Amino acid sequence: QKEVEQDPGPLSVPEGAIVSLNCTYSNSAFQYFMWYRQYSRKGPELLMYTYSSGNKEDGRFTAQVDKSSKYISLFIRDSQPSDSATYLCAMREGNTGNQFYFGTGTSLTVIP
Amino acid sequence: KAGVTQTPRYLIKTRGQQVTLSCSPISGHRSVSWYQQTPGQGLQFLFEYFSETQRNKGNFPGRFSGRQFSNSRSEMNVSTLELGDSALYLCASSSGLLADTQYFGPGTRLTVL
Repeated sequence: QKEVEQDPGPLSVPEGAIVSLNCTYSNSAFQYFMWYRQYSRKGPELLMYTYSSGNKEDGRFTAQVDKSSKYISLFIRDSQPSDSATYLCAMREGNTGNQFYFGTGTSLTVIP
Repeated sequence: KAGVTQTPRYLIKTRGQQVTLSCSPISGHRSVSWYQQTPGQGLQFLFEYFSETQRNKGNFPGRFSGRQFSNSRSEMNVSTLELGDSALYLCASSSGLLADTQYFGPGTRLTVL
């Protein structure tokens, strides 16, 4: 079983829709959770960074962490064509020097 | 602050050759991690260097090696290239401290013919 599972999609939504992207994980020691956005042929860029459980909002993006269910989500409100990209979740344990673990990414297309 | 830079951006090699990729982290960052990204496997962790020492290592064969210099710049070397080594190689920089996250470079796209 992989440490982090992520539905690869592809996901296709109309402009303005609310998008929900999800990852599950198996390691209960994970405490730091991240979402990256990767455009085609580019490196991933950090979108959201949260610690432990709870919600974090940044503009149209909301990250949710439910440690009891080992489940994290990224919500995109009022999706735009420029949001079309691959979204990667990542996480790591709470000790210095621990490795980051990534999901395989979900491909999202927002149709104008 | 300048971001993570990787050179070269594109590389074409033939089977059996070796290749060296370079990564310059964000100024002040002491940790550099390397990843291989392919469409089927996603991001696969190669290794991490912190203050010139390898701190973590993924499950890649010994053909993949790396090093880090005193200025935190890092190089990754792949010897005896195989067709399956064709991928996007990403470098990620972080401070290496507890609560920090990783910032990625643009990647080097390696094609092995």
